[in-house]
Amino acid sequence: DQQVKQNSPSLSVQEGRISILNCDYTNSMFDYFLWYKKYPAEGPTFLISISSIKDKNEDGRFTVFLNKSAKHLSLHIVPSQPGDSAVYFCAARGVSGTYKYIFGTGTRLKVLA
Amino acid sequence: DGGITQSPKYLFRKEGQNVTLSCEQNLNHDAMYWYRQDPGQGLRLIYYSQIVNDFQKGDIAEGYSVSREKKESFPLTVTSAQKNPTAFYLCASSNLGTQYFGPGTRLLVL
Repeated sequence: DQQVKQNSPSLSVQEGRISILNCDYTNSMFDYFLWYKKYPAEGPTFLISISSIKDKNEDGRFTVFLNKSAKHLSLHIVPSQPGDSAVYFCAARGVSGTYKYIFGTGTRLKVLA
Repeated sequence: DGGITQSPKYLFRKEGQNVTLSCEQNLNHDAMYWYRQDPGQGLRLIYYSQIVNDFQKGDIAEGYSVSREKKESFPLTVTSAQKNPTAFYLCASSNLGTQYFGPGTRLLVL
């Protein structure tokens, strides 16, 4: 039972264009969402997060949008750079007050120069 | 320098042998976690601990054991009961907000 889903295993984007990575979840009790970037043989690096009381959070080139009614979040990267090529994971924190995080299966982004 | 350290970077296990992966954090986080990543797959939770001397099984705890005697440390033992231990192991910590990860340990079976 995959509670957090990233349905696109891979995505290719031209340098300078927008990258949009998507994530769906099934549990309406999730209250905090995170995006991570991961290079091979390294630990994931935290990118950006959003609380369920917001619908948008921005940090530099990265913006996360949350649509609670659709149980959907997306990460926008503008402009995309070759160094952004990595695997991106979305994660949701479990029911409020718990410490458990649930991860999607990841989307491999390739930014073409 | 605050962060999470994992050692060793590479670990080799012989058949029937138990091995222990180290994880230390100096972020003063209450919670610590162990995940496993297999090629082309996401992160699967093995065990997590919310406070010292307490821990809970994750989704794939069979063949693994942990201890949490100190807030800073959360070692993972891969026992001989784990029949497919070859994977990349990630340790993380959090204080209910952002979860931060260590650099990982790659375990290989000889």
